[in-house]
Amino acid sequence: GAGVSQSPSNKVTEKGKDVELRCDPISGHTALYWYRQSLGQGLEFLIYFQGNSAPDKSGLPSDRFSAERTGGSVSTLTIQRTQQEDSAVYLCASSVRRQHNEQFFGPGTRLTVL
Amino acid sequence: GQQVMQIPQYQHVQEGEDFTTYCNSSTTLSNIQWYKQRPGGHPVFLIQLVKSGEVKKQKRLTFQFGEAKKNSSLHITATQTTDVGTYFCAGPLSNDYKLSFGAGTTVTVRA
Repeated sequence: GAGVSQSPSNKVTEKGKDVELRCDPISGHTALYWYRQSLGQGLEFLIYFQGNSAPDKSGLPSDRFSAERTGGSVSTLTIQRTQQEDSAVYLCASSVRRQHNEQFFGPGTRLTVL
Repeated sequence: GQQVMQIPQYQHVQEGEDFTTYCNSSTTLSNIQWYKQRPGGHPVFLIQLVKSGEVKKQKRLTFQFGEAKKNSSLHITATQTTDVGTYFCAGPLSNDYKLSFGAGTTVTVRA
C-alpha cells in the first residue's frame, strides 16, 4: 500500500504569509505526528494526534502554529504570519497505536521563508 | 522530563572500520527504536528492541538493548559509504505512545 505522503514537497513563501502543509497518513494508522527539522539538526516534535483524543500540542513553538486532523486521517499544519526562522523541513509520520509503534515518515515539505 | 540522549553527535569513520553510537534514557523504556536518515531523505525505521538485554543483527549492524532498558547501542562493522547518514534512537515516553527522539549521530565515511 501507499506510504505517508506530504504536499507540497517544496514551498517558498514571503515573510508574513500564511502556509498550509498537508499530510496523508497510511490508511488505518491512528497516530499522526508532525516534526520540524532544521538543516543539519534533529527532529523537533510539534504535535501528536491519537485517534479521537485531544491532540498533544506541547511542541508547537508559538501560537502561529496550529494543526488539524479531519476524520482521523488527513492532517494540515498551518503556520500563520511566517517568519524566516520557520524555514525548515516539516515531516509527518504515522503509526499504529500499539506497543510496538514504529513510525513511518513522509518525504517532508521543505519550507523556505524569504 | 524524560529524554533520550545520543552520543556522539558526529562520527567520522574510515571506510572499513567499526564504530558504535550510544543512546541513553533517563527512565526505563518499554522499547527502543532506531531510524536512519540518509542525506536529503527522511527517517526510515530500522529496528525495534523490546526485551532487556536483547541483541539483534542486520547484516553489519548490531543493535543492543541494555539490561536495565535505559540504554541502547548501534554497532556497525566494516563501515561502507552506504552507511552515511544520521542514526536516531527513539523511545516511547511513559504512559504514552509518543516517541522521544534522540538528537541523532551523523556518520560520514572517508574512502
